[in-house]
Amino acid sequence: DAMVIQNPRYQVTQFGKPVTLSCSQTLNHNVMYWYQQKSSQAPKLLFHYYDKDFNNEADTPDNFQSRRPNTSFCFLDIRSPGLGDAAMYLCATSRDDSGTYEQYFGPGTRLTVT
Amino acid sequence: GDSVTQMEGPVTLSEEAFLTINCTYTATGYPSLFWYVQYPGEGLQLLLKATKADDKGSNKGFEATYRKETTSFHLEKGSVQVSDSAVYFCALSGGGGADGLTFGKGTHLIIQP
Repeated sequence: DAMVIQNPRYQVTQFGKPVTLSCSQTLNHNVMYWYQQKSSQAPKLLFHYYDKDFNNEADTPDNFQSRRPNTSFCFLDIRSPGLGDAAMYLCATSRDDSGTYEQYFGPGTRLTVT
Repeated sequence: GDSVTQMEGPVTLSEEAFLTINCTYTATGYPSLFWYVQYPGEGLQLLLKATKADDKGSNKGFEATYRKETTSFHLEKGSVQVSDSAVYFCALSGGGGADGLTFGKGTHLIIQP
């Protein structure tokens, strides 16, 4: 089945220690998104890639970076995680020519910062 | 900017009860509307969608109708099951093709046997 895969599902890192979360997709969608979801809150968009073009949300901290080496993969890098960065990180994909603009989400990576 | 307002929970119902979760939106243009469901510890799953006025999205017994005159997209189900317990998010896409979704705050639904 075509899907969005995130690894790892659970990640523990230390305060200030860089961490990378990964996302891959078999849907061949040209747009990939990263959302941050804190407990009992709605997902908040951090940034997205439209093909190779990176689009950052205005209020996304500089501590968060992303890479998309090819259509299938996208990475979220947190350069110096703080306690406030503990959250679920969701990757999503969509096709910009779908006409309906729905996004397909992966299962998420739960990040804990100690 | 765009926004979505949905009733906040938790909403607690008995099995086989009728469900309504209200959702209203503010947007320029003609957004697409979605309901997503999130089970504990999981990502979001698309439940249903509607892309234009008067469209009805439906899936797994859930329905929602895109009402442009009232800017609403209420989620309904005639008879809920314990397995429907989850958090439900109403969302819209501004129609730019690559825009992020604008979500409501989510409604936690608890179904008791």
